[in-house]
Amino acid sequence: EEQLLESGGGLVQPGGSLRLSCAGSGFTFASHAMSWVRQAPGKGLEWVSALSSHGAFTNYANSVKGRFTVSRDNSRNALYLQMNSLRAEDTAVYYCAKDRGTSRPDAYDMWGQGTMVTVTS
Amino acid sequence: DFQMTQSPSSLSASVGDRVTITCRASEGIDIYLAWYQQKPGKVPELLIYAASTLQSGVPSRFSGSGFGTDFTLTISSLQPEDVATYYCQKYNGTPRTFGQGTKVELK
Repeated sequence: EEQLLESGGGLVQPGGSLRLSCAGSGFTFASHAMSWVRQAPGKGLEWVSALSSHGAFTNYANSVKGRFTVSRDNSRNALYLQMNSLRAEDTAVYYCAKDRGTSRPDAYDMWGQGTMVTVTS
Repeated sequence: DFQMTQSPSSLSASVGDRVTITCRASEGIDIYLAWYQQKPGKVPELLIYAASTLQSGVPSRFSGSGFGTDFTLTISSLQPEDVATYYCQKYNGTPRTFGQGTKVELK
């Protein structure tokens, strides 16, 4: 069964750091671009970052550029999001999501269950 | 900044009604448009990709259309299990912007 499982969320003070992880299973992880999407409490979906299948190309939303870093370890079927200089407005459920296809940008056909990040003093 | 504008932001309809949600892109995106359904307290799920292709397992009462800047999601006969928030998303290049969502409720 195909699955994505996030971990690493929690409570952090403004200015702090957190590293999220996403473990993929049941599919060829190294063949798919992966993304992070977040959802603040009671709000809509916000795209955060995308990473190509081999990790060569990264993209970020303007709201996190310079503070967040996405990476992956295909030998471990893992995706990461290093979040630095966290702000209250970064409080959200963070989902990892998998591109449906393998050759070009595609819709997300699989989502993890999400991990909650709360930034508060 | 690139924008995806959905309308309406919410709607109330009866079981069996035909429901239509629109999504407008601020620039042309060809057919690189997806629709997702998020039920309360659940993870988003892919309904439609490439503007009109139904994801495997999605009921045929869902359909999508459009090209360029204007897109539509239609539920031909609303069912109780369709109560959810629906999001469009463009995925040609970045940012992979989502619409603000349309909340569908039962009347």
